[in-house]
Amino acid sequence: SAVISQKPSRDICQRGTSLTIQCQVDSQVTMMFWYRQQPGQSLTLIATANQGSEATYESGFVIDKFPISRPNLTFSTLTVSNMSPEDSSIYLCSGSSRLVGTEAFFGQGTRLTVV
Amino acid sequence: RKEVEQDPGPFNVPEGATVAFNCTYSNSASQSFFWYRQDCRKEPKLLMSVYSSGNEDGRFTAQLNRASQYISLLIRDSKLSDSATYLCVVRLQTGANNLFFGTGTRLTVIP
Repeated sequence: SAVISQKPSRDICQRGTSLTIQCQVDSQVTMMFWYRQQPGQSLTLIATANQGSEATYESGFVIDKFPISRPNLTFSTLTVSNMSPEDSSIYLCSGSSRLVGTEAFFGQGTRLTVV
Repeated sequence: RKEVEQDPGPFNVPEGATVAFNCTYSNSASQSFFWYRQDCRKEPKLLMSVYSSGNEDGRFTAQLNRASQYISLLIRDSKLSDSATYLCVVRLQTGANNLFFGTGTRLTVIP
């Protein structure tokens, strides 16, 4: 299975600040995604991280709030900007190949608390 | 309508019981199907893929019914360690951002 490393694993941040989450994947992964999981909820896709170009955002998520970079195939960052307590959540990096029938792999997640 | 729907539970079953979860999907173009397991405060991990012919892995059996657009997961002889949230995941097609997650079904196995 693919290896996905995500950091930090957790953080407590002041409102109004920003946090950047990093995700490193191995070479089996060609597609990278960022998800949010709020307490007791399922995963919600934030965006697809596109290598060398702007990410593709899902409805309800915008680049100004969640800027994403993917400078190469195996690395991506998600920034949660100008945080408020409503941003407290688990953020998960995910990777997958393009092949039909293949599953997605997940990083360990970043548990963010905004105070 | 949601792409993938699951009964959120919770399902509380005694050790040794058999429990089944169902999941329905709305898009007939869905091509790949998976069950993931998510433990508390952990990331989701693949439990098993679901094939058209159905598949079994030890105490776990997954079935796909394309005509009715649902997949199922059967757990026999439940163990305490089976307590987790089980996520139904559907993938539409190759090459696109196309993974859709159910809300998850919470299972607690009771001694």
